[in-house]
Amino acid sequence: DTGVSQDPRHKITKRGQNVTFRCDPISEHNRLYWYRQTLGQGPEFLTYFQNEAQLEKSRLLSDRFSAERPKGSFSTLEIQRTEQGDSAMYLCASSFWPTGGATDTQYFGPGTRLTVL
Amino acid sequence: KQEVTQIPAALSVPEGENLVLNCSFTDSAIYNLQWFRQDPGKGLTSLLLIQSSQREQTSGRLNASLDKSSGRSTLYIAASQPGDSATYLCAVANIYNFNKFYFGSGTKLNVKP
Repeated sequence: DTGVSQDPRHKITKRGQNVTFRCDPISEHNRLYWYRQTLGQGPEFLTYFQNEAQLEKSRLLSDRFSAERPKGSFSTLEIQRTEQGDSAMYLCASSFWPTGGATDTQYFGPGTRLTVL
Repeated sequence: KQEVTQIPAALSVPEGENLVLNCSFTDSAIYNLQWFRQDPGKGLTSLLLIQSSQREQTSGRLNASLDKSSGRSTLYIAASQPGDSATYLCAVANIYNFNKFYFGSGTKLNVKP
């Protein structure tokens, strides 16, 4: 049984560069979430997908951020023109949302730690 | 907007002690509440999920309670062990948007051998 995986685990980049992170959810999960966590804080919701559809985006997700889930499986989060304030842990989570509507718990990946110099 | 607060921010206890972590939330219209554990530099591990209709959940040495009317949840850890050292996060999903978790900033627990 494989859990949620994220790649890379660590990324160091210079201000102004573009970065892309990947998340592979648990295989039968149809929902995928992205969160951002800064040091000493809890995670903050960024966006989520049901299958390939992006259903909600937080105001935290500026126009420099874009997320995709093209085939309803893995997802990518891209940050363009990175800024030092983007330095954080980016967490991905997945869950199964049955037709009946009862929510299931979200399973989190290990995160990608981004450092912008 | 839901605000989630966790007190204390840090806690250090000797091994074997029973302890309580607190979580409070401002909007009682919750769908569920979840407690997570996070080890340094790692992702989150779900410990207990309490639906809004439930009062408590238990798993091993952990017991979580929920009082919606007062906007509070507690996580009780019995007979603490050094391996329990981690940050514990409380997360709340509201009824009008249960796809989004609002997290507290966590309680960092250190259990001394």
